[in-house]
Amino acid sequence: DVQLVESGGGLVQPGGSLRLSCAASGFSFSDYWMSWVRQAPGKGPEWVALIKVDGTESWYVDSVKGRFTISRDNAKNSLFLQMNSLRAEDTAVYYCAWPVRLLHYWGQGTPVTVSS
Amino acid sequence: DVVMTQSPLSLPVTLGQSASISCSSSQSLVYSDGDIYVSWFHQRPGQSPRRLIYKVSNRASGVPDRFSGSGSGTDFTLKISRVEAEDVGVYYCMQATHWPFTFGPGTKVEI
Repeated sequence: DVQLVESGGGLVQPGGSLRLSCAASGFSFSDYWMSWVRQAPGKGPEWVALIKVDGTESWYVDSVKGRFTISRDNAKNSLFLQMNSLRAEDTAVYYCAWPVRLLHYWGQGTPVTVSS
Repeated sequence: DVVMTQSPLSLPVTLGQSASISCSSSQSLVYSDGDIYVSWFHQRPGQSPRRLIYKVSNRASGVPDRFSGSGSGTDFTLKISRVEAEDVGVYYCMQATHWPFTFGPGTKVEI
């Protein structure tokens, strides 16, 4: 069975940093693009970033460009999201989701709260 | 960015009856491979979204055949026939043809 398990969320002050992780299993992780999607409280989901199979190409939504970095470790079937210069509007549950254009599988999400 | 619009935003339903949700996109969603990457998701409070329909009309594994998707170009529809109590929640359409991929605002279905 496919499993996506996110971790690393928490409470952080504005301007702070967090690194999210996603442990993937049940599929050939190194063969697929991967993605992060977030959902702010009371809002619909929002795509955050995509990364190519070998990590050489990544795409970001404009609101996080220059602040967030998506990366992966295919040897460990893991996906990461480094979040810097966090803002209140980044407060959301962050999901790892697969496959990229179809999102058949979502993790349980890890909550991030940016507040002083 | 592609804007996805849903209607209605709130949908009272009667158990056993059918319900339809519409989704419109601000531009054509035909990808270079010929597919249209429009999906529908259902989300209950406190849960992750669950995929129902992908590529306009394909029912995902384990999804009851009460759910069906249709559409083309820029207009898409999710139909729920014989609504059951477990169908309450918020339904989102999503396009994954043009980056950034985008979701609709959601339709809240209530009994």
